[in-house]
Amino acid sequence: EIVLTQSPGTLSLSPGERATLSCRASQSVSSTYLAWYQQKPGQAPRLLIYGASSRATGIPDRFSGSGSGTDFTLTISRLEPEDFAVYYCQQYGSSPPITFGQGTRLEIK
Amino acid sequence: EVQLVESGGGLVQPGRSLRLSCTASGFTFGDYAMSWVRQAPGKGLEWVGFIRSNSYGGTAEYAASVKGRFTISRDDSKSIAYLQMNSLKTEDTAVFYCTRGPYRGNYAYWGQGTLVTVSS
Repeated sequence: EIVLTQSPGTLSLSPGERATLSCRASQSVSSTYLAWYQQKPGQAPRLLIYGASSRATGIPDRFSGSGSGTDFTLTISRLEPEDFAVYYCQQYGSSPPITFGQGTRLEIK
Repeated sequence: EVQLVESGGGLVQPGRSLRLSCTASGFTFGDYAMSWVRQAPGKGLEWVGFIRSNSYGGTAEYAASVKGRFTISRDDSKSIAYLQMNSLKTEDTAVFYCTRGPYRGNYAYWGQGTLVTVSS
């Protein structure tokens, strides 16, 4: 099973600052199958990034993804008030085919 | 517009069964795999399982935590995916989300979720 470990667990930043979230895999993950989601309280997750670096439809360009192999990063260039939420990475592979990271909570400092 | 609407959640006693439904619209249901993802209160996302489209055999995969107790099925004529949950445990308490896919390995469309509470 591929385990995804996200860090930090909680990130405290101010609007306008840059956020860097990490997702580390226990085994190599195909970049094609690494995604990032945002979840706000009481809402379903929203797809932000797929294929490690491609923005989903309607996602602002302040969100970017990068990485390969076992290390992936989600960067938010300038935080807006609506960006404070929980972020999850997710991979698609084999047995089990889908795993999620434990999440990073991005909170207002 | 793609829409996924879950139903069937509620309070159930440990050891009992419950069936969730996911009614889809806005796309050709039979062309896509369908998945269930759950989230225990205050916890992260946990993949439950998915069912492939009939073009890919219509077979299902499950997380180890639910294998043998949960079954995913689909009725393409009605555009509905089901999650049959048997031998429920208190640790199955969660919001259950229906999602389209995985498509290219990810989930672009999610339902609003339905809460399942397993308690005596």
